[in-house]
Amino acid sequence: DAKTTQPNSMESNEEEPVHLPCNHSTISGTDYIHWYRQLPSQGPEYVIHGLTSNVNNRMASLAIAEDRKSSTLILHRATLRDAAVYYCILRAPRSEKLVFGKGTKLTVNP
Amino acid sequence: DTGVSQNPRHKITKRGQNVTFRCDPISEHNRLYWYRQTLGQGPEFLTYFQNEAQLEKSRLLSDRFSAERPKGSFSTLEIQRTEQGDSAMYLCASSLELSTGELFFGEGSRLTVL
Repeated sequence: DAKTTQPNSMESNEEEPVHLPCNHSTISGTDYIHWYRQLPSQGPEYVIHGLTSNVNNRMASLAIAEDRKSSTLILHRATLRDAAVYYCILRAPRSEKLVFGKGTKLTVNP
Repeated sequence: DTGVSQNPRHKITKRGQNVTFRCDPISEHNRLYWYRQTLGQGPEFLTYFQNEAQLEKSRLLSDRFSAERPKGSFSTLEIQRTEQGDSAMYLCASSLELSTGELFFGEGSRLTVL
């Protein structure tokens, strides 16, 4: 499984945008980029996924580099409820398996 | 609540005992997954079902672990002769089809082996 690299932790202030980076230099041409987050004492929660183009949904935006070797999850206005561990995951197109790393722990300051 | 339900939420047992966890997925989801998560780590894949068929098992799933999904609905994960190293959060997830890309996770069952 191709590997991702994320910072261990990041901090943000409430109501400010947050950019969470992810490097995946060994990504294959058909791997999807998935983001999940895990709030304290809860199971992971799907955030967004994409292949090549930038993606937006109600929770976040996903910006994918042109060479696909990196991506950035963007939370447009962080709230205290966004404090969580964010996981960037590569998923092969017919693979049923998500391979989680350690993720980035996001702290949101009031 | 129509989310993924897991029971029990917490289980404390003595080493050597058997434990069983149950997962009720979202009703129309045909795919069901088990993951294990230890403190400070991301979840690790254990096994996957499509309907009642167990299609993939991780090497992490030793002979003491068995998972079933008898009628393609709920699933059980049994751990026999528990060891202290089995202490972890056991997470269940379900999904409708691969193309949506979204897995729905339950809140997990926390196992403590004394």
